Amino acid sequence: DQQVKQNSPSLSVQEGRISILNCDYTNSMFDYFLWYKKYPAEGPTFLISISSIKDKNEDGRFTVFLNKSAKHLSLHIVPSQPGDSAVYFCAASGGDTDKLIFGTGTRLQVFP
Amino acid sequence: DTAVSQTPKYLVTQMGNDKSIKCEQNLGHDTMYWYKQDSKKFLKIMFSYNNKELIINETVPNRFSPKSPDKAHLNLHINSLELGDSAVYFCASSQGLGTYTIYFGEGSWLTVV
Repeated sequence: DQQVKQNSPSLSVQEGRISILNCDYTNSMFDYFLWYKKYPAEGPTFLISISSIKDKNEDGRFTVFLNKSAKHLSLHIVPSQPGDSAVYFCAASGGDTDKLIFGTGTRLQVFP
Repeated sequence: DTAVSQTPKYLVTQMGNDKSIKCEQNLGHDTMYWYKQDSKKFLKIMFSYNNKELIINETVPNRFSPKSPDKAHLNLHINSLELGDSAVYFCASSQGLGTYTIYFGEGSWLTVV
């Protein structure tokens, strides 16, 4: 049972444009959400997080939006750069679990 | 200075062998983890240790045995390796359990032939 889902396995965006990566979750008890970025042959790197008391968190070019009623979060990257090309994982935790549950990832490709 | 380091990075071994992957973190964190990323790219937790105590043990075969000699180290020993054990194993650490950011090592690519 996949509690965290990233339904788009890949996304291609032109440099300078906005990249929007989406993530849905099923467990309404989740209260902490994170995005990780992963380059090939490297471990996931923490990017940005948001707790359920907020609906938006911004860090430079990266903004995460949380819609609790829809159980949906998204990561916006503006402007997108070629160095942003990587696999992005969303993850969630909270409620009755201390575990961090990951989505299956979205591969972002930013082309010139 | 690498925060979470694991060795070896690549490992090719035959079925039936026993192998270990070592992990060390220099972040001063209390909690360490082993995650597995399989061929379908699912990243799933295997074990979690907090201050050397086993906290989370997912339904992992008992051929997998974690060992935490101190809170900066969490090693993974695998007995009688099977083809299905081929995966990328990530060590990770965090300040504590719950709503803490988890920091990952670079991964150990295990191939069982």
